[in-house]
Amino acid sequence: EDQVTQSPEALRLQEGESSSLNCSYTVSGLRGLFWYRQDPGKGPEFLFTLYSAGEEKEKERLKATLTKKESFLHITAPKPEDSATYLCAVQARGNTPLVFGKGTRLSVIA
Amino acid sequence: DVKVTQSSRYLVKRTGEKVFLECVQDMDHENMFWYRQDPGLGLRLIYFSYDVKMKEKGDIPEGYSVSREKKERFSLILESASTNQTSMYLCASRTGAGYNSPLHFGNGTRLTVT
Repeated sequence: EDQVTQSPEALRLQEGESSSLNCSYTVSGLRGLFWYRQDPGKGPEFLFTLYSAGEEKEKERLKATLTKKESFLHITAPKPEDSATYLCAVQARGNTPLVFGKGTRLSVIA
Repeated sequence: DVKVTQSSRYLVKRTGEKVFLECVQDMDHENMFWYRQDPGLGLRLIYFSYDVKMKEKGDIPEGYSVSREKKERFSLILESASTNQTSMYLCASRTGAGYNSPLHFGNGTRLTVT
């Protein structure tokens, strides 16, 4: 069974304190790994797709990396506006629905 | 930019009512999905559709049905609303090409059943 586990469940950082969020997965034939950001009361917003081990993507203070078993979302010098829940999802072989993790709730304190 | 529009941000319904949640996307996407999101449980897939007139059950279809008469519109129906269906409902769409395209979500409908 395809599974995605995100850790930690919640993370509290001081402004400027860099850290990483983890997404571990087991999937039959990874076709893509996706990161989303979700603000309270809103739908998830797409951030990145990673397709193969070794791939990296960056957007402002966020950098996503991928290995054969996990992905990391690195947040460099975070700001309060980076506070959100970050969701990870995987696409297995074939046209099957994405499998989502439960998310990491990030709080950045000024 | 892809736009997925859910017809209501907030809904309050009574137990036993039939409830319709509407979702429209403007990017000619083949695939459409309905999720519910509850604290501690994450996103759970209710139903999805790979094309017009097609539908597939997700992980938690009980108490729900769907309709997809046009490619851009995907409706979720609660046949007889119950209090345990109080939740945030999220619609999403994606292109069917390549099978590894990202989902694009609407902003959700917060449904309260009293």
